[in-house]
Amino acid sequence: NAGVTQTPKFQVLKTGQSMTLQCAQDMNHEYMSWYRQDPGMGLRLIHYSVGAGITDQGEVPNGYNVSRSTTEDFPLRLLSAAPSQTSVYFCASSYSGGRGNYGYTFGSGTRLTVV
Amino acid sequence: QQQVKQSPQSLIVQKGGISIINCAYENTAFDYFPWYQQFPGKGPALLIAIRPDVSEKKEGRFTISFNKSAKQFSLHIMDSQPGDSATYFCAALGKGSARQLTFGSGTQLTVLP
Repeated sequence: NAGVTQTPKFQVLKTGQSMTLQCAQDMNHEYMSWYRQDPGMGLRLIHYSVGAGITDQGEVPNGYNVSRSTTEDFPLRLLSAAPSQTSVYFCASSYSGGRGNYGYTFGSGTRLTVV
Repeated sequence: QQQVKQSPQSLIVQKGGISIINCAYENTAFDYFPWYQQFPGKGPALLIAIRPDVSEKKEGRFTISFNKSAKQFSLHIMDSQPGDSATYFCAALGKGSARQLTFGSGTQLTVLP
């Protein structure tokens, strides 16, 4: 099992460019989420999905889009990158909704810099 | 609108000492409280978790203490080791079908050899 795979690991964008951060999991998890991590602010929820075809907004959704056409994949799209979106992005998944001994499994992150 | 507050921001302890990290939550819409450990360049990894109907949970050197009436919970690391040096996040899992995590701001722990 690869777990949660995020690509790319690093990315530099110019202001106004768009891009898609990829996230794939091979654990057949229903729940998938995207977080951004900024110094001193912990991880903040951007968007999440409780199953294929179902997505919803988290705490900081502006400037991001998601879709979930398959159980395995949950891409995050930046529509028009801004310097405020410079951050480390983590994708996470869980089959149990985060309870029990399984919790959420996180990918290794994408470090994004917008110049 | 931080619903989970974590302290301290950083913590330095000697090898063999006890590390204590505290968290408080602001509403009752949570029903599960995990702690995550994160090493540099890696994603957070589940360390230990507790349900609100339990006052304490221990796994090896790691213990969660939970005070439901005060809406507070804490992580104790006994016999702290240099390998424990990492960032620790408390979190709270929301009720209902969404089941999403709200994180504290993190504590950077350094254990001196």
